[in-house]
Formats: sequence, structure tokens, C-alpha cells
Amino acid sequence: QVQLVESGGGVVQPGRSLRLSCAASGFTFSTYAMHWFRQAPGKGLEWLAALSYDGTRSYYADSVRGRFTISRDNSQNILYLQMSSLRPEDTAVYHCVRDPGRVNEEWLDPWGQGILVTVSS
Amino acid sequence: DVQLTQSPSAMSASVGDRVTITCRASQGISDSLAWFQQKPGKVPKRLIYASSILQSGVPSRFSGSGSGTEFTLTISSLQPEDFATYYCLRHDTYPWTFGHGTTIEIK
Repeated sequence: QVQLVESGGGVVQPGRSLRLSCAASGFTFSTYAMHWFRQAPGKGLEWLAALSYDGTRSYYADSVRGRFTISRDNSQNILYLQMSSLRPEDTAVYHCVRDPGRVNEEWLDPWGQGILVTVSS
Repeated sequence: DVQLTQSPSAMSASVGDRVTITCRASQGISDSLAWFQQKPGKVPKRLIYASSILQSGVPSRFSGSGSGTEFTLTISSLQPEDFATYYCLRHDTYPWTFGHGTTIEIK
């Protein structure tokens, strides 16, 4: 079955960097666009970034553009989110989600369990 | 960027009630709207895509409608397992945006 497993989270000081990974299995990763979403504690959902299936096109939310970089390794079935200049307001659970490129039953389903990133001194 | 306004932000309802949640877009987004349900401590679950298409396995008491700038999620007869927070997501162009959520509480 489809599995998305995020890793790389933890506690990091403001201004530092962190790289999240999302290991994908159960589907042909290299044919799917991918997204990162997040949810701050007690807050709503936020879309962060998207990457085309081949890694050539990326899109970002205003809140992270210039600080976060989405990338992928299709040979390893892994999605990354490189986060730099982290701020306390980046504290959240981060989720990776797949996108088949058309809106259907597989689109944005399922979600990974998420990984917590805490930005604090 | 296109803004989404979701209402109400919270509501109290009873089992068996008909419930409607609305999302309004600041400009037309065709049918590029999805609805998610999230229960405390759980990952979001997509209920509806393309404004009105029910995800397989989602009970038929859920329905979505709308196009352009106004969209609704309706639960025809609220069940105990439906008490949760619901979000709309517009995905017509990047950057995508969510509504702020509607929490349905037990009256």
C-alpha cells in the first residue's frame, strides 16, 4: 500500500537549518508530483511547496519562499525539504503528500503521519 | 493571491442535524476546491475533490457543491464520528491556500 514516511525533524535553534526527508513506497514515485504541508500546534493547515514529478518545476508559499527548498531523488524514492533561516513560527508538524498530476482518487491521498519540527532556543 | 474565507469558524450541532460549511474565494477558481476532515491527533483526510466528487469510502451523507467563488460542504445527518475540524483547499493556481477551518462540536 502507499506509504509516506517523514523523518529528520527535531528541535533546532532559530536561524539554523534542517532537512526533512519523505520516503515513499507503494507507488511509482517518479511519476508523481509531491507536496509539503504543515500544521503548527493548535493551528490550521498550510500548503508549503510543490515539486513536479521530474524535479524541474517547484512552487512555494510566500511564507517559506527563499528559505525552504523542495527537491527529490527519484532513484531513491525520497522527497526532501531543506529548511534554512528557521523561525519560531516554523514550529509545526510537516507532512508530505503525493499528487498524480490530475485530480482523482489518488490526489493528495494519503498523507504521511508527519514529523514535528520545533524551532526554539 | 486568491483568498479563501471559510465560515463558520466553529459550530455546535447535534447528532442528526444537517450541517453546511461555506468557502468563498476572492476570485473564480472553477471547481478547484477540496474538503478535508481532521480529527484531533490524526492526519487530515480528504473527503471531496473537484468541488463535488466524493472520495471512495466516504459516507454519502457528505456532499460538496459549488463552482467559481462559492462552495459548500454539507453533512446531511451528523453522526458522532463527524465531530471534527473541516478545511477547504483551493488549488487552481500556486500558491495553494486553505480555509481557516470549521470545528464542529457536540451541542
